[in-house]
Amino acid sequence: DIQMTQSPSSLSASIGDRVSITCRASQDITNYLAWYQQKPGRSPQLLIYAASTLLSGVPPRFSGRGSGTDFTLTISSLQPEDVATYYCQKYNSAPHTFGGGTKVEIK
Amino acid sequence: QLQLHEAGPGLVKPSETLALTCIVSGGSIANSSHYWGWVRQSPGKGLEWVASIYYTGSIYYNPSLKSRVAISVDTAKNSFSLRLTSVTASDTALYFCARHFTYDFWSAFYSPFDIWGQGLTVIVSS
Repeated sequence: DIQMTQSPSSLSASIGDRVSITCRASQDITNYLAWYQQKPGRSPQLLIYAASTLLSGVPPRFSGRGSGTDFTLTISSLQPEDVATYYCQKYNSAPHTFGGGTKVEIK
Repeated sequence: QLQLHEAGPGLVKPSETLALTCIVSGGSIANSSHYWGWVRQSPGKGLEWVASIYYTGSIYYNPSLKSRVAISVDTAKNSFSLRLTSVTASDTALYFCARHFTYDFWSAFYSPFDIWGQGLTVIVSS
């Protein structure tokens, strides 16, 4: 099975900071990569699919890039409402594996 | 708008069978081009995709659970269900049902989840 490794596992940044999260696949998954945001006590919410396409309604401060094995989620200007855990997921083949998550906090 | 809601027991005894149902409202399972799936979340294993199904009966299982899991769909009740046999404490988790996001002609099963239920906590304990 393809493994998905996220880094860092947690980060603390100031309001307005640019924040980046990395997701690495153990094999080439082309662009079959999604990013989710999960706030405490809530279900995950899809932010980005196909590695870089923003779901309708998601603030443009979120962006994704990458292909093959290396992917990045960037928040251009961190806002208080972005406090959450972020997960990547690959979906090019079964199993649709998730990364371990990155917890984002405000400094 | 489309909503998903998980239903089932919150407590299951070890070695018994866990049975959950996802009730879909605000849209028809049969009149859509979407796959429907189950994802679970536990502190030890994070988010784990379990299984997915299309209303015609096309099914995909996570190989790590394939020997114990079964997913089914009931178009008359606009719902789909999960059964997990021989449960142990490691099956204790928050179970979500979700819809696959068909964003192009080829995506179908090969797609992320765009609509999720609120989740149902299942504890395996005697």
